[in-house]
Amino acid sequence: AQKVTQAQTEISVVEKEDVTLDCVYETRDTTYYLFWYKQPPSGELVFLIRRNSFDEQNEISGRYSWNFQKSTSSFNFTITASQVVDSAVYFCALRNQAGTALIFGKGTTLSVSS
Amino acid sequence: KAGVTQTPRYLIKTRGQQVTLSCSPISGHRSVSWYQQTPGQGLQFLFEYFSETQRNKGNFPGRFSGRQFSNSRSEMNVSTLELGDSALYLCASSGRVSLDRVYEQYFGPGTRLTVT
Repeated sequence: AQKVTQAQTEISVVEKEDVTLDCVYETRDTTYYLFWYKQPPSGELVFLIRRNSFDEQNEISGRYSWNFQKSTSSFNFTITASQVVDSAVYFCALRNQAGTALIFGKGTTLSVSS
Repeated sequence: KAGVTQTPRYLIKTRGQQVTLSCSPISGHRSVSWYQQTPGQGLQFLFEYFSETQRNKGNFPGRFSGRQFSNSRSEMNVSTLELGDSALYLCASSGRVSLDRVYEQYFGPGTRLTVT
C-alpha cells in the first residue's frame, strides 16, 4: 500500500527564518513520482514540483529547495528566508507509474509572521 | 493559458438532495481527476476521466459518480446527500496524452459543498 506521512502538523516561524517541511513516503513500486503542492487560504492547490523516483538530484527554485533521498524514503522541502506570503498548507503527494490517483499526506500548516 | 475552472464555487444543499459540480480543464488537457477534501480525511481521490472514460476510481460509494464530455469538461454528481459529504471538492486537469506517462495535475479553486 502507498502512504505519505507529514509528521509536522503545524509550523510557526518568523519572517526570514529557514524552514524545512518533512515528507516520508511508503511504496513498493520501483517507479513512482513525488509532488509538493501549496494550498493558500483561497483553497486552490498550487503545483510546486514533481520528482521521479529515478532522479535523486536535489532541486532549487529561488527560495525553494527539495531534498529527495530514496534511502530514507523522504522528500523534504525547504523554504529559505521565509516570507509572510509563504503561509499556507503544504502537501506532499505520491503517485505510482500505473496509477492516476495522487496519495496525499495530511499536510503541514506553515505560518510565517512578520 | 486559463487555469482549471470549477462551478459553482459555493453550494448549500439539504440532506437527501443531489448535486452536480462542473469542471473545465486547462485547454488541451484530456485528463480530469476529482478529489474530496475534508478536515478529518484530508485529500482523497474520487475518480479520473481520460478521453470520456473513467480510468480509475477511489474508495467512495456509488452515490458519487462523474462523467466527461468530448470537450474534456467534466461533471461530478452526488446523489442522496449526507451530512458527511460536506467538503471542498477539487478538480484537477493533467496534460496526459497516454496512459503510461505521469504528468503533474493542476487544480482548480474547488467547490465548497455544505450539506445541512
